[in-house]
Amino acid sequence: EDQVTQSPEALRLQEGESSSLNCSYTVSGLRGLFWYRQDPGKGPEFLFTLYSAGEEKEKERLKATLTKKESFLHITAPKPEDSATYLCAVHPARGGKFQFGAGTQVVVTP
Amino acid sequence: NAGVTQTPKFQVLKTGQSMTLQCAQDMNHEYMSWYRQDPGMGLRLIHYSVGAGITDQGEVPNGYNVSRSTTEDFPLRLLSAAPSQTSVYFCASSNGQGGTDTQYFGPGTRLTVL
Repeated sequence: EDQVTQSPEALRLQEGESSSLNCSYTVSGLRGLFWYRQDPGKGPEFLFTLYSAGEEKEKERLKATLTKKESFLHITAPKPEDSATYLCAVHPARGGKFQFGAGTQVVVTP
Repeated sequence: NAGVTQTPKFQVLKTGQSMTLQCAQDMNHEYMSWYRQDPGMGLRLIHYSVGAGITDQGEVPNGYNVSRSTTEDFPLRLLSAAPSQTSVYFCASSNGQGGTDTQYFGPGTRLTVL
């Protein structure tokens, strides 16, 4: 059965304190792994898509990496505006059913 | 482009009532989907559609119906609301068959069933 697990559930950071979020997955073939950001009361907002192991993508203070079993979202020198819930999702190779993890809630304090 | 729009934003129902959550997109996307989001459980797929006239069940389809008569619209119907359906509902769309294409989400509908 396809499964996506995100850790930690919550993360509290001081402004400037870099850290990483983990998304581990079990799928029978991967068509794509997606990272989203979600602010309270809003819909998820797309950040990155990764397709194959070894791939990396960057956007401002965020960098996503992918291996055969997990993905990391690195937050470098975070600012308070990076506070959000970060969601990971996978799209298995065999069908159209996306699978989301439960998310990591990140709070960055000044 | 408005992107993905959802109505209503908030809704309160009594047990047993029926209602339709509306979803529309103006990006000419073939793939549309409905999710529910509950605390600690992430987003769970209810139903999805790979094109007009084609729908399929997701992870948690019971109690919900969908149809796709046009590319733009993908309504979600609750036939007889139950308290367990209290949740936040998100509609999403993407291009192609939803494989490697990004899903774009609507703002959500917060539903409370008393």
